[in-house]
Amino acid sequence: QVQLQESGPGLVKPSQTLSLTCTVSGDSINSGNYYWSWIRQSAGKGLEWIGRMYTSGSTNYNPSLKSRVTISIETSKNQVSLKLSSVTAADTAVYYCARGLGTDWYFHLWGRGTLVTVSS
Amino acid sequence: QSALTQPASVSGSPGQSITISCTGTASDIEGFNLVSWYQQHPGKAPKLLIYEGNKRPSGVSNRFSGSKSGNPASLTISGLQAEDEADYYCCSYEGTVIFGGGTKLTVL
Repeated sequence: QVQLQESGPGLVKPSQTLSLTCTVSGDSINSGNYYWSWIRQSAGKGLEWIGRMYTSGSTNYNPSLKSRVTISIETSKNQVSLKLSSVTAADTAVYYCARGLGTDWYFHLWGRGTLVTVSS
Repeated sequence: QSALTQPASVSGSPGQSITISCTGTASDIEGFNLVSWYQQHPGKAPKLLIYEGNKRPSGVSNRFSGSKSGNPASLTISGLQAEDEADYYCCSYEGTVIFGGGTKLTVL
């Protein structure tokens, strides 16, 4: 079955850029009319949607994070990436990769998540 | 960005039914086909339970049901089981995706 696996540094220094990768296994990232999202969960703010990207290149971002976020897809590697710049302690969270369908706004498949701590 | 409000906690005994409410602004919730619900066990990723207000993905027990009208939206779990003890989140869309703060369900 299709599985999502997040990976990346568990510790990032303040003001630096957080970079994570989601590897899709069990299917091509191009198959179906899917989009790929990043969602994070922190103790203080609960679940927070970061943004999404279609393999067509179309993107949508959370307005509160838009100025710092870039989501990209590398189809040859079956991967989705997240970059979040100028991080602070408030960006400490578990980051999830998730898949959605078409123009819907729900997430039917999630990765296991990866904890990122922002600290010097 | 508006918020979705859920009770912090609910509890029930095995076999009972419980309902979790999700209160938002009229524009958040009246588009009920945009409301989804997620279950999250400790240390695990959220799992989609309900989408478009009252639809269940394949494999989700019919003990889970969502409301399709009124504000607040709601999730009902009938025939409570010990394995239902988890956190539950509602989710909707108004210009951006928004989540409720989560409700911790305790099965007594």
